[in-house]
Amino acid sequence: GAGVSQSPSNKVTEKGKDVELRCDPISGHTALYWYRQRLGQGLEFLIYFQGNSAPDKSGLPSDRFSAERTGESVSTLTIQRTQQEDSAVYLCASSLVGGSKSEQYFGPGTRLTVT
Amino acid sequence: GENVEQHPSTLSVQEGDSAVIKCTYSDSASNYFPWYKQELGKGPQLIIDIRSNVGEKKDQRIAVTLNKTAKHFSLHITETQPEDSAVYFCAASGSGGYQKVTFGIGTKLQVIP
Repeated sequence: GAGVSQSPSNKVTEKGKDVELRCDPISGHTALYWYRQRLGQGLEFLIYFQGNSAPDKSGLPSDRFSAERTGESVSTLTIQRTQQEDSAVYLCASSLVGGSKSEQYFGPGTRLTVT
Repeated sequence: GENVEQHPSTLSVQEGDSAVIKCTYSDSASNYFPWYKQELGKGPQLIIDIRSNVGEKKDQRIAVTLNKTAKHFSLHITETQPEDSAVYFCAASGSGGYQKVTFGIGTKLQVIP
């Protein structure tokens, strides 16, 4: 079946512009995660959605970052007033249920370059 | 919060040899330890996981071991093949409802034909 998809696959933007990244999770998956992966680095947790519960935003690095998810469907990650240090691959993952009880399925990521 | 350290950061082995990647974690409450493989240009994919009620788990050429007392766990790949070349991430998580999964920094494995 269809996996997690993300769009765009690549995004080049000028410093100071806003960007919006999209994630389409696997149908039926109640949990959705956003991670940031800087070049040669590990996975940095950003935000987690679980059903209708309040999202865990503890990983968002600044108030320029925000994310929304409508129900158990699409999620968007928005970065306002982008900075060069925002350049990274942004990965989205979904799982059937949350926490350690279910495998996370990752999308291919969006590579963001801020010039 | 949880802190996961992973080493080595890079590893080169000859085809057919074994590869071992080691991780340590800080939170004694963590009890779920997945390993992910990330190929170039793709998202990570779960390859094996282990829970704290077992000390070892094996799946064909891949095995994971867990030492809860020492708070470390390892990935073992035997008879390595060129297609094993990738970045491998270890991770740790607690249980009970939502628990954030904390990832290691990753190990870039190169299998030389």
